[in-house]
Parts: sequence; C-alpha cells; structure tokens
Amino acid sequence: AQSVSQHNHHVILSEAASLELGCNYSYGGTVNLFWYVQYPGQHLQLLLKYFSGDPLVKGIKGFEAEFIKSKFSFNLRKPSVQWSDTAEYFCAVNGWGGSYIPTFGRGTSLIVHP
Amino acid sequence: EAGVAQSPRYKIIEKRQSVAFWCNPISGHATLYWYQQILGQGPKLLIQFQNNGVVDDSQLPKDRFSAERLKGVDSTLKIQPAKLEDSAVYLCASSLALEASGGFGSETQYFGPGTRLLVL
Repeated sequence: AQSVSQHNHHVILSEAASLELGCNYSYGGTVNLFWYVQYPGQHLQLLLKYFSGDPLVKGIKGFEAEFIKSKFSFNLRKPSVQWSDTAEYFCAVNGWGGSYIPTFGRGTSLIVHP
Repeated sequence: EAGVAQSPRYKIIEKRQSVAFWCNPISGHATLYWYQQILGQGPKLLIQFQNNGVVDDSQLPKDRFSAERLKGVDSTLKIQPAKLEDSAVYLCASSLALEASGGFGSETQYFGPGTRLLVL
C-alpha cells in the first residue's frame, strides 16, 4: 500500500523568505506525484504534478518541486513567499495497485506574515 | 466552465440518523472521487468511479456508507446510520479518464467545495 508523509505540519514565514515543504512517499513502483493547495475559503486545486520526464517540475505562482526517486521525495519549493501564499498544502501520490488510487498526505499549514 | 458542484454545504445530524450528499462533476469528466477529510488530516479516498463503474472502494465502510453514480454523471454518497466519528468534510472531485499530456494516474483532480458534516 502506498503512503505519503508530510513532515512539516505548520510553517510560519515572513514575506520574501524561502520555502521548502517536505514530502516523502512509500511505494515501489511507478508513481505520479502531486501538490495541491487550498487557499482560505477556496477549493483544493492543483499546484503542480510530476508523471514523467524532467524531475524538476514548475507549477503556478512560482512554485516548483523536485522528484528524487532514490529518496522517495517530492519536496515543494518557492524562493520567495508572499502573503498570498498562506494556505494548506497537500502532497499526493497516485501509484498503480491494480488501479490508480490517489493517496494524500495530512497537509502543511503555511502562514506568511506580511 | 462550471466546476464540481456539491450539496448541501453543511449538515448537522444526530448519531444514528442517515444523511446523503450529492455531487455533480465537471461535464465530460469520466472519473469521480469521494473523499473524507477529518479535521487536521488529508483527504482519504472513499470510493472512485469510472463512468458508472466502481474502480476502488476498499476504504469505504460498507456497513454504513454507500455510493452510487447512476448514468455515469452525478453521484450520491449516503451514510446510514451516522456515527460521531463520521464528522468530517466530504469532498467530491472529478477528472478526465486520461489526459493527453500524461499517462494513466496523472490526471488532475478538480475538487468541489465539500460538505461539512457534524454528527452530534
């Protein structure tokens, strides 16, 4: 069975600080990896995803994530956060287990102080 | 385009009562997902449909939860009878069966606003 671990449950930063949110997954086969974001009062939406090719994936709003297969990791990064990045961030994996079943991490709450 | 619609947005019931949630996916999306999100946790998949067939329901507590997607479009999730631990947000999401740019399993999910259930 696949699983996802997000190590940082709560992160507080000041504007312009750099961000890295950790995500590790447990699955031995080919995986599809996602970061979803939920801004206050809004629906969950896709930030970025990896399914093949270049392991460095760029998403919306200046976010990027790097898939490191040897470390089973898919960490999310942003060089300079803004107040508007305040949100809940979820890492998800979708691996083959007879069918593709998405599994989400417990999420990281990010607060950015202006 | 219209997003994923869910109703009701909020529901308060007493334990042992029954409740139903409705979801209408984005037009043309063959895959529909129901998730349970307990406070402080990530979404947990309850059931996944492809058109009107079940892809996976391994995490659906079948003694009390049921779901259907008749005609392969909208879907209902029912809880009967409800327990205190069912208090959660129930999310519906939809996706294309396969996106042109990626392989199976790489599809983007589009989420609805969720239904917040409180069981007293």
